[in-house]
Amino acid sequence: NAGVTQTPKFQVLKTGQSMTLQCAQDMNHEYMSWYRQDPGMGLRLIHYSVGAGITDQGEVPNGYNVSRSTTEDFPLRLLSAAPSQTSVYFCASSQGGTGQIYGYTFGSGTRLTVV
Amino acid sequence: KQEVTQIPAALSVPEGENLVLNCSFTDSAIYNLQWFRQDPGKGLTSLLLIQSSQREQTSGRLNASLDKSSGRSTLYIAASQPGDSATYLCAVSEGYSTLTFGKGTMLLVSP
Repeated sequence: NAGVTQTPKFQVLKTGQSMTLQCAQDMNHEYMSWYRQDPGMGLRLIHYSVGAGITDQGEVPNGYNVSRSTTEDFPLRLLSAAPSQTSVYFCASSQGGTGQIYGYTFGSGTRLTVV
Repeated sequence: KQEVTQIPAALSVPEGENLVLNCSFTDSAIYNLQWFRQDPGKGLTSLLLIQSSQREQTSGRLNASLDKSSGRSTLYIAASQPGDSATYLCAVSEGYSTLTFGKGTMLLVSP
């Protein structure tokens, strides 16, 4: 099925470990972004990309890296995991420009626990 | 900085009631506004998207309105059902690439 695919769905990390959250979309969307969702805080933007090779920081970028080498993929890297990064992470994509009539499509999320 | 507020934070109604969820935003220079539904432990499902030039959108029992000048949107749910129980999120887009979210309204519809 077309859409945004996130892997893994669940992950437990120890403090200081690194990992990559994967995000892939098959809709040829230009724009992709990562959000984290925390109780009482809502969804907050971590990083986003407006096309292959172009990324920028969002509201809460510290501790995370991204790259966009292809249109389809937008991985999120945790460099040295901290308990404060325990959260649910969502990847989203949109067509951009006149394609905004279709809005944003979200993945099913990755639930990350850092112990 | 854009801020999005949703009122009420939680709502409990009996089945069959018509209800209104409210969303307000501080900067009216938006491209569009999108309403999402989120079930517990699940991802976000898009319900309705309203372009900045539009006043409302309808899908089945759902109707969303947008008053851009006053920074307000409402989501109207007609004849509510227990299956409508979920958290409803409002989000605005100021550019094409990102969204700013409210914290959501948690809706419980009892049989």
